[in-house]
Order: sequence, then structure tokens, then C-alpha cells
Amino acid sequence: LAKTTQPISMDSYEGQEVNITCSHNNIATNDYITWYQQFPSQGPRFIIQGYKTKVTNEVASLFIPADRKSSTLSLPRVSLSDTAVYYCLVGDRYSNYQLIWGAGTKLIIKP
Amino acid sequence: EAGVAQSPRYKIIEKRQSVAFWCNPISGHATLYWYQQILGQGPKLLIQFQNNGVVDDSQLPKDRFSAERLKGVDSTLKIQPAKLEDSAVYLCASSPEVGDTEAFFGQGTRLTVV
Repeated sequence: LAKTTQPISMDSYEGQEVNITCSHNNIATNDYITWYQQFPSQGPRFIIQGYKTKVTNEVASLFIPADRKSSTLSLPRVSLSDTAVYYCLVGDRYSNYQLIWGAGTKLIIKP
Repeated sequence: EAGVAQSPRYKIIEKRQSVAFWCNPISGHATLYWYQQILGQGPKLLIQFQNNGVVDDSQLPKDRFSAERLKGVDSTLKIQPAKLEDSAVYLCASSPEVGDTEAFFGQGTRLTVV
């Protein structure tokens, strides 16, 4: 099972671009990379998923290098409401039960 | 579209008592998950259902935890008897199919065992 490593916490300021990097050295060929966001007292919310290169949606971008041993979640122009815990998950998309959730990265946005 | 509904939101019980949580997934979603999230940690999968069948329950403490999803729609998770270390948030999530790693989570039930 692929294990992920993320920074425990990060600080940034409103209006800045925030990049959170996740390391997954033993990612398997069939594994996808998925990011979730969790606010206090709420369940996690899906942000983005990718396999390789770059994926972009209305919320974030996900950059995955060719070796796929890491990935970077990019949040453009953050606001105070982006303060949350961000989880990086790696696993076979057809075996969701194999997804292991780490402690995530606590992102704090300051005014 | 209504989201995943869970009840109750909060529950306080004494150790050795029993407790049950209820989850109603998004309509039409075949896959339902129960997670346990201890404060400061990521969610831990307890059990996964595909319709009314169990896909994986390898991390469910079966001596005290049980879950069912009769008729393949809503689900209940029960703990009997509860221990202090069961204090956590219990999250229910659903997704259309097994291959959909985008799971939709409810707000969770915060359980405190005293």
C-alpha cells in the first residue's frame, strides 16, 4: 500500500498561491492521487484527482511529475475560508478501501 | 441534490453502554463507507458496502462493532459495549460505484465515551 508524506502544517496569507507537496515514493502503476479538504466539524470534501502531468479544476491544480513519486496541490489566491486540513491519498481507484488517510496538512491562512 | 445525512450529530455515553449511528447516503449511490476519525488523525475506514454486501470490513473491531445496510440504502453502525478509546467522529460517505474515488461525506457523529 502506498504511503504518503505531507507537511504537518503550513501558513500563508490571503491572496497568495499555496502549494502543498505530497511524497509517495512507492506509488503503484494503477494508483491515482486524490486530494481532500476538511473543515472543522465537517466531513472531508473531494478537491481533485489525477494520474499524471497536470489536472486543473475550478478549485485547484494538481501537478504530478513524470516519476509520480510526488504531487503538488496548488491553491490559487487563497482566502481565509481555505483554512482547513488537506489530505493526500494514493490508491487504486477500484479499491477504495486501500486508501490510507494520513494526518494531513493543516493549512492556516492569515489576513 | 441532498447530501449524505447522518444522525445524531453528537452522542455522549458511558463506557460499556451501546450506541447506534444512522446514515442515509446520496440517492442512487451504490457504495457506502463508515469511517472513524480520532481527533488529530485522518479518517480510518471501518467498513465498505457495495449495495447491501460488504466489500471490506478488515478494520472493523468485530467483537464490539457491527454494521448493516439492509435493502442497500441506509445503514446503521453499532458499538456494543463502548470503550473510552471509541471516542471519535464517525463519518459516513457514499459514492456512485466502487471505482469512484470521489466519496461524498456526511457531517459525522461525534461520540464521547465517558
